[in-house]
Amino acid sequence: QKEVEQDPGPLSVPEGAIVSLNCTYSNSAFQYFMWYRQYSRKGPELLMYTYSSGNKEDGRFTAQVDKSSKYISLFIRDSQPSDSATYLCAMKHQAGTALIFGKGTTLSVSS
Amino acid sequence: DTAVSQTPKYLVTQMGNDKSIKCEQNLGHDTMYWYKQDSKKFLKIMFSYNNKELIINETVPNRFSPKSPDKAHLNLHINSLELGDSAVYFCASSPEGRGPETQYFGPGTRLLVL
Repeated sequence: QKEVEQDPGPLSVPEGAIVSLNCTYSNSAFQYFMWYRQYSRKGPELLMYTYSSGNKEDGRFTAQVDKSSKYISLFIRDSQPSDSATYLCAMKHQAGTALIFGKGTTLSVSS
Repeated sequence: DTAVSQTPKYLVTQMGNDKSIKCEQNLGHDTMYWYKQDSKKFLKIMFSYNNKELIINETVPNRFSPKSPDKAHLNLHINSLELGDSAVYFCASSPEGRGPETQYFGPGTRLLVL
């Protein structure tokens, strides 16, 4: 079993839809949870991070962590065509340096 | 201003050749990384350096050798290239390499081995 599991999709939604992206993980030592967005032929860029169970909101984006279930989610409200990208969840041990990534979910938002 | 830059952006070469990819960051960060992204977009850590010192060396063939001449640069040299080395290689940097700090990624180098 991989440390981080993420459904690669692809996921296609109409503009304005609510999108839910999810990852599960097996290593309870992970303390920091991040979502990176990667546009085609670009490097990943940090979208959001959390380090405790619960919700964190930033504009149209909400990151949710459930440590007891080892499950994290990213919700995108009022999705826009500009949200079309690959979304990668990433996790990190407290003392570690490297990010452990999921496989990424490719999202397409049509206008 | 480009925070993390990589050269070249594209690299097409024959099996058996030796090639290098360069990375530079102008963010003043202490920690730099090399990640490999395969054709299925799976991104995996290869190496991590903190202040020119190697701190992570994942299970990577020893044909891959990172070199950090100073803390702003982390280059990747690959000997005897193989077909399976074809991938996108991303350099990244972060302030210290600890905690929830953001890692900043370069634009990637697309390597194709023929």
